[in-house]
Amino acid sequence: QEQLAQSGAEVKEPGASVKVSCTASGYTFASYFMHWVRQAPGQGLEWMGIINPRGGRTTYAQKFQGRVTMTRDTSTSTVYMELSSLRSEDTAVYYCARADSRGLENWFDPWGQGTLVTVSS
Amino acid sequence: DIQMTQSPSSLSASIGDRVTISCRASQSISSYLNWYQQKPGKAPKVLIYAASSLQSGVPSRFSGSGSGTDFTLTISSLQPEDFANYYCQQTYSTPITFGQGTRLEI
Repeated sequence: QEQLAQSGAEVKEPGASVKVSCTASGYTFASYFMHWVRQAPGQGLEWMGIINPRGGRTTYAQKFQGRVTMTRDTSTSTVYMELSSLRSEDTAVYYCARADSRGLENWFDPWGQGTLVTVSS
Repeated sequence: DIQMTQSPSSLSASIGDRVTISCRASQSISSYLNWYQQKPGKAPKVLIYAASSLQSGVPSRFSGSGSGTDFTLTISSLQPEDFANYYCQQTYSTPITFGQGTRLEI
C-alpha cells in the first residue's frame, strides 16, 4: 500500500524555522516527484513547490522563494520541507503529496496525513 | 499565474440529488484539471484526474467533463458520505493552483 507518513505537529515562535518530514512506503521512492501543499485554518489549498527525489531538483512557488527549502534522503525514502522566518500567517496544515501521472497529465495521490504548524509567541 | 474559479462557493443539497460544481480557468489548460474531495480534518483525495478520468476506487456517481477553460464535476446521486469540500486543480503550469473550494452541505 502506497503511503506517506508525516512528522508530528509543531509550535514555533515568529522568526523561527520548521522542518517537516514525509516518509514514503509501498512504492519506489525515486520514481515519483513529491509536492508540498499547505492549508491555513478554514482556507483553501496552496501549492508550495515540488522536489524530484531522484536528483533533488526543486521548483518553488514564487511566494515562498528564499524561505522554503525542500530536500530528500533516498536512504530513508524521506522528503523534507523547511520553512524559515516564520510568521503568524504561516500557521497551517502542511501536506506532502506524491505526483502521479499518465503521460503529461498529473495529479496528487496519495497525500500525507498533514502536519499542523502553529506560529505563535 | 493561472487563476481557478469555482462556483458555487457553497451548495445545499439532499440525498439523491444530482449536483454540479463548475471550475473556470483564467486561460486554457487543455485537460490538465483534477478534482479533489476533502473531509474535515483529512487530507484531500483525488476523485477525477485529467478532467474526466475516474480515479480507481472512486464511485461511478462521480464524473468530470470539460476542456480548455471550463470544467464540471457532477455527482449523479448524492450519498451521505459525499458532503464535503471539493477543489479543482490545474497542473498545466507552475505554480500549480487550486480553486477556492466548494462546500457541499445538507
